Amino acid sequence: EVQLLESGGVLVQPGGSLRLSCVGSGFTFSNYAMSWVRQAPGKGLEWVSGISGGGAGTYYADSVKGRFTISKDDSKNTLYLQMTSLRAEDTAVYYCAKQVDTIPRPFDYWGQGTLVTVSP
Amino acid sequence: QTVVTQEPSFSVSPGGTVTLTCGLSSGSVSTIHYPSWYQQTPGQAPRTLIYKTNIRSSGVPDRFSGSILGNKAALSITGAQADDESDYYCVLYMSSGIWVFGGGTKVTVL
Repeated sequence: EVQLLESGGVLVQPGGSLRLSCVGSGFTFSNYAMSWVRQAPGKGLEWVSGISGGGAGTYYADSVKGRFTISKDDSKNTLYLQMTSLRAEDTAVYYCAKQVDTIPRPFDYWGQGTLVTVSP
Repeated sequence: QTVVTQEPSFSVSPGGTVTLTCGLSSGSVSTIHYPSWYQQTPGQAPRTLIYKTNIRSSGVPDRFSGSILGNKAALSITGAQADDESDYYCVLYMSSGIWVFGGGTKVTVL
């Protein structure tokens, strides 16, 4: 059974930094691309960042480019999102999502999410 | 800036059929966009229904089907049930690893 478990969400001040983690199980982690998707309170889903299965390809939404960095450690079956220069508008539940192939393809499994709150 | 469009809301009677669409502010949706559909109820993570236009995710009943209708992707729900009342999101692949979600459609069953 595929499972994804996010962690790391907390209350952080504007301008601060945070690292989110997502541990995957039930599949060969290195064989699949992964993404982070967020949802601001009362709003829709927004794709944030993705990484190819091999880790060589990384992709970002314009809203986070230059501030967020995605990475993965296949030995730990873990996906990361390093977030810097955080803004109030980054407040959201952050979901990690497994994609159906090693290259950017649709998402098939989702974690339960971790809440990031950016506030003074 | 490409915008993915969805109907804000839809209402369907129990047992009825509803078709939601997913379009582009500029251009047509095709299979190269790998249109995919997700269901979400309040407080829950999204659930994958359909990916790559018409592939049903594991465990998804065949009441849910995906297609391309004209210049849009479409999600049809036949024989609507009370627990189909949810928000439905589509997502399209824009190339270079970039994905864009639509704003979501709130489906009410009444």
